[in-house]
Amino acid sequence: EDKVVQSPLSLVVHEGDTVTLNCSYEVTNFRSLLWYKQEKKAPTFLFMLTSSGIEKKSGRLSSILDKKELSSILNITATQTGDSAIYLCAVEAYNQGGKLIFGQGTELSVKP
Amino acid sequence: EPEVTQTPSHQVTQMGQEVILRCVPISNHLYFYWYRQILGQKVEFLVSFYNNEISEKSEIFDDQFSVERPDGSNFTLKIRSTKLEDSAMYFCASSELGGYGYTFGSGTRLTVV
Repeated sequence: EDKVVQSPLSLVVHEGDTVTLNCSYEVTNFRSLLWYKQEKKAPTFLFMLTSSGIEKKSGRLSSILDKKELSSILNITATQTGDSAIYLCAVEAYNQGGKLIFGQGTELSVKP
Repeated sequence: EPEVTQTPSHQVTQMGQEVILRCVPISNHLYFYWYRQILGQKVEFLVSFYNNEISEKSEIFDDQFSVERPDGSNFTLKIRSTKLEDSAMYFCASSELGGYGYTFGSGTRLTVV
């Protein structure tokens, strides 16, 4: 059965800290891995990763995929209180109609 | 920035009633999806829709559920006879080819009483 596991489930840090969130997956016919940030409602898109070893970066956030280890990390440097959210990892496989399989999320809380 | 729009934002219904949740996907997207998230649980896939037909559905998407694209812009999810366990946040999403541009709407919170 396809599955996505995220760790840690929750994390409390102080402003300015750097955090690393982990996502591992077991999926047949892997196509892509996506990271989303969920605040109050809708997951908002952060990154889509398809190739191993290529870092994607957006401001203080970056992410990389390791297809050999079937995993990805999301890094946030110089955290701010506005980074407090649930971070979701999702995986898409080929020939499944675009279905995303989500992990349970990492709840990040950034204290002032 | 283009958005996926969902209405209503919150719906309360009595057990056994039919509900229709509505979505307007991003206009140039070709793939449409429904997901649900029960409070405190994972986001779960329900169904994907492409070229006016269902391309994939989960075990959750049983005969009580149906989807429709009644015109060129709307995409709806119907639950025929709601149960208490259908209470959840329902997210609509749309995407370009495959996972590109995969965008979620802000959700409809469905409460079945």
